[in-house]
Amino acid sequence: QVHLVESGGGVVQPGRSLTLSCAASGFTFSSYGMHWVRQAPGKGLEWVAFISFDGSNKYYADSVKGRFTISRDNSKNTLFLLVNSLRPEDTAVYYCAKDLNSYAYNDAFDIWGQGTMVTVSS
Amino acid sequence: AIRMTQSPSSFSASTGDRVTITCRASQGISSYLAWYQQTPGKAPKLLIYTASTLQSGVPSRFSGSGSGTDFTLTISCLQSEDFATYYCQQYYSYPHTFGQGTKLEIK
Repeated sequence: QVHLVESGGGVVQPGRSLTLSCAASGFTFSSYGMHWVRQAPGKGLEWVAFISFDGSNKYYADSVKGRFTISRDNSKNTLFLLVNSLRPEDTAVYYCAKDLNSYAYNDAFDIWGQGTMVTVSS
Repeated sequence: AIRMTQSPSSFSASTGDRVTITCRASQGISSYLAWYQQTPGKAPKLLIYTASTLQSGVPSRFSGSGSGTDFTLTISCLQSEDFATYYCQQYYSYPHTFGQGTKLEIK
């Protein structure tokens, strides 16, 4: 069974940092590009970041560029998102998601985690 | 960034109805278009990719069409479990942008 499980969310003060994790199982993690997508309370989906299967390519939304860093550890089947300089507008559920096809750079997302909530508040 | 615009933003329908949701891209995206379904408190679920390919396990009452800038998602005979929010997404280029969502409610 293919699974993605996020963790690391919580309540954090503005300006602070947090590291989100996404543990993958049930597929060859090292063969798939991975994404982070977020959803503010009551709002729509916002794509945040992508990392290629081998970590060599990364892309970010303009809203997080320079503050967020996506990374992966293929030996531990885990995806990360380091979120720095947090702002109230970063409050959202953060989902990790997997590319449909292996070794893809532009693909739909076939598997999503359950999400982890990040609340930025003083 | 490519802007994705869905219409309508919300819609009321009854079980058994045929419904169509449209999605327009601000520039051509070939067939790099996916549709997702999301119910409250749950993660999105992939329904359709490459504009018209049904994801494994998705009922055949769902269908997609279009290419270039104009796309549609059709549900041929609404079931109770289909009342949800639907998002289109382009994955032609980065950033991979989503439409604002279409909330399908029971009439």
